[in-house]
Amino acid sequence: ETGVTQTPRHLVMGMTNKKSLKCEQHLGHNAMYWYKQSAKKPLELMFVYNFKEQTENNSVPSRFSPECPNSSHLFLHLHTLQPEDSALYLCASSQVPPGEQYFGPGTRLTVT
Amino acid sequence: AQSVTQPDIHITVSEGASLELRCNYSYGATPYLFWYVQSPGQGLQLLLKYFSGDTLVQGIKGFEAEFKRSQSSFNLRKPSVHWSDAAEYFCAVGATGSDYKLSFGAGTTVTVRA
Repeated sequence: ETGVTQTPRHLVMGMTNKKSLKCEQHLGHNAMYWYKQSAKKPLELMFVYNFKEQTENNSVPSRFSPECPNSSHLFLHLHTLQPEDSALYLCASSQVPPGEQYFGPGTRLTVT
Repeated sequence: AQSVTQPDIHITVSEGASLELRCNYSYGATPYLFWYVQSPGQGLQLLLKYFSGDTLVQGIKGFEAEFKRSQSSFNLRKPSVHWSDAAEYFCAVGATGSDYKLSFGAGTTVTVRA
């Protein structure tokens, strides 16, 4: 595997479900990111992990819970989501500094 | 904090014609600048980046961009567009120093007509 991988690629879940998104980077980077991409909206930065420590939480609701067990893996735990949380969730990694980010293919999440 | 504006939401171009996508940024010092491309249902792919040095930057897929400090711009160009260039393009700016977050523009959708 090369680059940044994300699983699953598609996920449909009910509002009472609990699920997790997984991201793995094979680039030796030291920072990882979660973004939300909704239709007709700019890319929204959700969380940043630098050297495994969370350094950014952009006022994300607590129903989204990130976990970064090591510098190669990043998870986004989801519970009691709302329909408006349906979106493409993108993971990225970078070597900081300087910081160009490399993205995974995304997980298309649909909340029913 | 830095910010990015992409003035064009949607551009339609004929195959073989030239393409220019506009990007204006706001940042107090020399920024890091990037262009990404996203095909439907896919992640973002880095086309090119500017950190310092030559203000004309060459990227992948035949794209280039020029950093103009006086205009706070980083426009993306391609001399001859191929049908496979139809996608959404995002400009991003990062602050120099210890801040490693990127701010993205809202994107420009490019349609290529035969």
